[in-house]
Amino acid sequence: EADIYQTPRYLVIGTGKKITLECSQTMGHDKMYWYQQDPGMELHLIHYSYGVNSTEKGDLSSESTVSRIRTEHFPLTLESARPSHTSQYLCASSKAGTSAGELFFGEGSRLTVL
Amino acid sequence: QQQVKQSPQSLIVQKGGISIINCAYENTAFDYFPWYQQFPGKGPALLIAIRPDVSEKKEGRFTISFNKSAKQFSLHIMDSQPGDSATYFCAASGNTPLVFGKGTRLSVIA
Repeated sequence: EADIYQTPRYLVIGTGKKITLECSQTMGHDKMYWYQQDPGMELHLIHYSYGVNSTEKGDLSSESTVSRIRTEHFPLTLESARPSHTSQYLCASSKAGTSAGELFFGEGSRLTVL
Repeated sequence: QQQVKQSPQSLIVQKGGISIINCAYENTAFDYFPWYQQFPGKGPALLIAIRPDVSEKKEGRFTISFNKSAKQFSLHIMDSQPGDSATYFCAASGNTPLVFGKGTRLSVIA
């Protein structure tokens, strides 16, 4: 069973608020990812990190930012939430290697911005 | 431009039947092709994966068929059960993060 945790699971917040979605894993994985999942199911990569102090933007442009100060922790921050940010955010991790390997996903953070 | 195209978007199968989901990719640098299963309220979980050096991989009732020349791969679920009702995603990667298909919502009815 994967040990990757996301908090909060559900968040309803007003426009303009700053929010941070937390993601932690206890598997010692170097690689971590944030995916945005829209109601139509599709998964879009918005950020990823291959190690401490390394972050990259994904395929989908996002106003969110991420940090990777510790191997096990990969938080995502929205400085000023808007209704267009309403979505499910999924964090994942994987072992280092030459290809992506198995991704372990958290259960997601469902964000609603009013 | 979608790198992995998945079909159908939804699928209804009778209990005991075969469920088939198809994916096609463009990038010949891809060398890892997994399928993920997602239940409502949960994150996706790896179901089965294949690398291009084999044409088929079977794990229990789940089989991946891979056609390198056609750049296509498919998931077959034999003896489909109501508990298989979920959303299925194909994915692909090379030396890059996984890219996912749009997903297939499978419903297995009794």
